[in-house]
Amino acid sequence: NAGVMQNPRHLVRRRGQEARLRCSPMKGHSHVYWYRQLPEEGLKFMVYLQKENIIDESGMPKERFSAEFPKEGPSILRIQQVVRGDSAAYFCASSPSQGGDTEAFFGQGTRLTVV
Amino acid sequence: GQSLEQPSEVTAVEGAIVQINCTYQTSGFYGLSWYQQHDGGAPTFLSYNALDGLEETGRFSSFLSRSDSYGYLLLQELQMKDSASYFCAVSASYNQGGKLIFGQGTELSVKP
Repeated sequence: NAGVMQNPRHLVRRRGQEARLRCSPMKGHSHVYWYRQLPEEGLKFMVYLQKENIIDESGMPKERFSAEFPKEGPSILRIQQVVRGDSAAYFCASSPSQGGDTEAFFGQGTRLTVV
Repeated sequence: GQSLEQPSEVTAVEGAIVQINCTYQTSGFYGLSWYQQHDGGAPTFLSYNALDGLEETGRFSSFLSRSDSYGYLLLQELQMKDSASYFCAVSASYNQGGKLIFGQGTELSVKP
């Protein structure tokens, strides 16, 4: 059973371009979470999705950022018109349920560098 | 606001025992988790406490006191491979289990 798969592992974008980060949850998991981590800091929650639904996007910047988890295919985190401050590691996690005691499994992350 | 406080770094020697403390202030609380992260890689789940007391999993134990908004991770018989960052994380509500509030992390260095 493959773990949470994220791609690409590294992404370089010029200011103003779009970045698309993909996440395939573990088999059987229908709950996906995106986090952002700056160097030397903890992970910051961005958005929680279930298939075709955004459950909680309280951590998402209001502009330029969007996320989806379609019925088929991976979850996508999309950042439009990237700026240098978007440079960070973006982690995706998945869980089999929404219960508070559920274990979240993380992917290896996508390291976004904006030049 | 929501905050979790943990020491930024801890150093210990192989074979020793180390305790990493975590205090939290969150608008809701359902449970406290601990994650390990090596060199910026995938955070790996270590333990979870929803009730007061000690949970033991091999060389790792975790403790929670809800009345004190405090928990700790105890690592015994330290090995070099335990050098990593350790994060405490709060689940603030039952029905959003994977939505976690993370601390800033504790960098553990294990010396020979």
